[in-house]
Amino acid sequence: GAVVSQHPSRVICKSGTSVKIECRSLDFQATTMFWYRQFPKQSLMLMATSNEGSKATYEQGVEKDKFLINHASLTLSTLTVTSAHPEDSSFYICSAITGGRGYTFGSGTRLTVV
Amino acid sequence: QQQVKQSPQSLIVQKGGISIINCAYENTAFDYFPWYQQFPGKGPALLIAIRPDVSEKKEGRFTISFNKSAKQFSLHIMDSQPGDSATYFCAVSTGNQFYFGTGTSLTVIP
Repeated sequence: GAVVSQHPSRVICKSGTSVKIECRSLDFQATTMFWYRQFPKQSLMLMATSNEGSKATYEQGVEKDKFLINHASLTLSTLTVTSAHPEDSSFYICSAITGGRGYTFGSGTRLTVV
Repeated sequence: QQQVKQSPQSLIVQKGGISIINCAYENTAFDYFPWYQQFPGKGPALLIAIRPDVSEKKEGRFTISFNKSAKQFSLHIMDSQPGDSATYFCAVSTGNQFYFGTGTSLTVIP
């Protein structure tokens, strides 16, 4: 089946630094990928839709300059959290639409900003 | 606006019991209704899905019941096991649009 690989699974960074999260479609091409944020015991919050070769579409309230999304190829989308602060600590999950109405999630990245 | 409403928010079931999670929607254009299971620290994974041309789909201990006229669908977990303890999300979809419920935290106690 379709696999979405997300890396790293865990990252700890210092406040003020930037961190990049990668999301790869391993066995299919993903023209569209999605980035979610999830707080403990809470629902999935869609942050942005990443489109290959074009600018990402951000949901209302999501800071575009803080959460930089790049979808440079049909198999890779990246989320960069810039100038991270402790309040950015969260679980970030990417996903992609596969063929046949499939919707596959990555394994998630636990970001801790200290 | 929430496209799909999910309940309950949390559920505690005894081992061997039946877990039932419900979802309701309004837009009749939705034509695909998946359920996802998420364990702590992991991304959600597709559990089972149904299309509106059938009223029920069963895969092992997991069953989706679909009521098209009421615009409701539910996940039933028969003979619930502690290993089923997870968060469950329903979703509704049309085309490439997917909308997720707010999740149900299921705890199965031994």
